[in-house]
Amino acid sequence: DQQVKQNSPSLSVQEGRISILNCDYTNSMFDYFLWYKKYPAEGPTFLISISSIKDKNEDGRFTVFLNKSAKHLSLHIVPSQPGDSAVYFCAAKEYGNKLVFGAGTILRVKS
Amino acid sequence: ETGVTQSPTHLIKTRGQQVTLRCSSQSGHNTVSWYQQALGQGPQFIFQYYREEENGRGNFPPRFSGLQFPNYSSELNVNALELDDSALYLCASSSTQGAYGYTFGSGTRLTVV
Repeated sequence: DQQVKQNSPSLSVQEGRISILNCDYTNSMFDYFLWYKKYPAEGPTFLISISSIKDKNEDGRFTVFLNKSAKHLSLHIVPSQPGDSAVYFCAAKEYGNKLVFGAGTILRVKS
Repeated sequence: ETGVTQSPTHLIKTRGQQVTLRCSSQSGHNTVSWYQQALGQGPQFIFQYYREEENGRGNFPPRFSGLQFPNYSSELNVNALELDDSALYLCASSSTQGAYGYTFGSGTRLTVV
């Protein structure tokens, strides 16, 4: 039973355009959501997060939107750069100390 | 400040064998979590250690066990290896018991043949 789903395995975007990565979840007890970026042969690195009491969080080129009623969040990258090409994981935290990850979306930014 | 280091980077084992993976946490971090990432999937929580005690466990059988040492480094032990145990094993450290501020290592790629 996948509690966190990233339905797009891959996404290709032109440099300078917006990248939108989507994530759906089923567990209404999740209280915090995070996005991680992963390059090959490296561990995931934290990108941006959002608390369940907010609907938007922005950090430079990265913005995360949370729609609790739809149990949906999205990561917007504007403008996209070739260095953003990586696997992006959506993760959710329940009460406690465990993160539940989605399967990831491969983002390719073409120059 | 040093990051999270894991050893070995790659490992090949035979079904039925036992394996020990090691993790040195980032300086100042006292909590270590282990995740298993199978091919094409996201990381799955195995367990977390805080102050040398297991502090939360995912849906993994008892043959997955761990240790945390006084210097906060950690080991993941897997007994009676199965082919499905082939995966990338990620260690993450943090300065609190919560899931915020994880720093991940680069992982150990385990192949069971």
